[in-house]
Amino acid sequence: DQQVKQNSPSLSVQEGRISILNCDYTNSMFDYFLWYKKYPAEGPTFLISISSIKDKNEDGRFTVFLNKSAKHLSLHIVPSQPGDSAVYFCAASYYTGNQFYFGTGTSLTVIP
Amino acid sequence: EAQVTQNPRYLITVTGKKLTVTCSQNMNHEYMSWYRQDPGLGLRQIYYSMNVEVTDKGDVPEGYKVSRKEKRNFPLILESPSPNQTSLYFCATSRAGTGGRQSGEQYFGPGTRLTVT
Repeated sequence: DQQVKQNSPSLSVQEGRISILNCDYTNSMFDYFLWYKKYPAEGPTFLISISSIKDKNEDGRFTVFLNKSAKHLSLHIVPSQPGDSAVYFCAASYYTGNQFYFGTGTSLTVIP
Repeated sequence: EAQVTQNPRYLITVTGKKLTVTCSQNMNHEYMSWYRQDPGLGLRQIYYSMNVEVTDKGDVPEGYKVSRKEKRNFPLILESPSPNQTSLYFCATSRAGTGGRQSGEQYFGPGTRLTVT
């Protein structure tokens, strides 16, 4: 059973606007969350992470928000650029930190 | 240059013919993992290793074996491949983080596309 879910398989956004990618999880034991970006024919690359003791983490144009009560996290990209077009995966782990559970990915297209 | 290399990148094989996919890293990372990516299922962890001679099962270990005899290498072995193991496989590495857990910042290899007929 999928413990991390990304319910939107795809998203299109105009260049310069905000992209919001969503992720839901079911396991309340998860305490560490990450976002990865993947271009075709390449492996995923780490983007940003957040611990469950925080509700927001920023890194440049990328911000991750965590709502523990709703078991929901989101990735905001502002402003969106054509180079951001990729598949985005959210992932989660819990206290042992050695097993990671990934969502199914959201394909973002930023239209110039 | 920090690298995770996988070989081969593409492999077509037949049911039951043993194969090994190699993974090597030059970052001196303690942790290494294998994942498979399938449509509609995302990335699923097969096995992980916390250091030399220390491995453990991930979410979908059935049909796979691993070994970690050297820190830099973490081969994935399919003793008797079956068509349901047709997938895109990724090796990933990470350093030790805080509190005895691995850093979530994993470095992924370029992937190995395996087809089992």
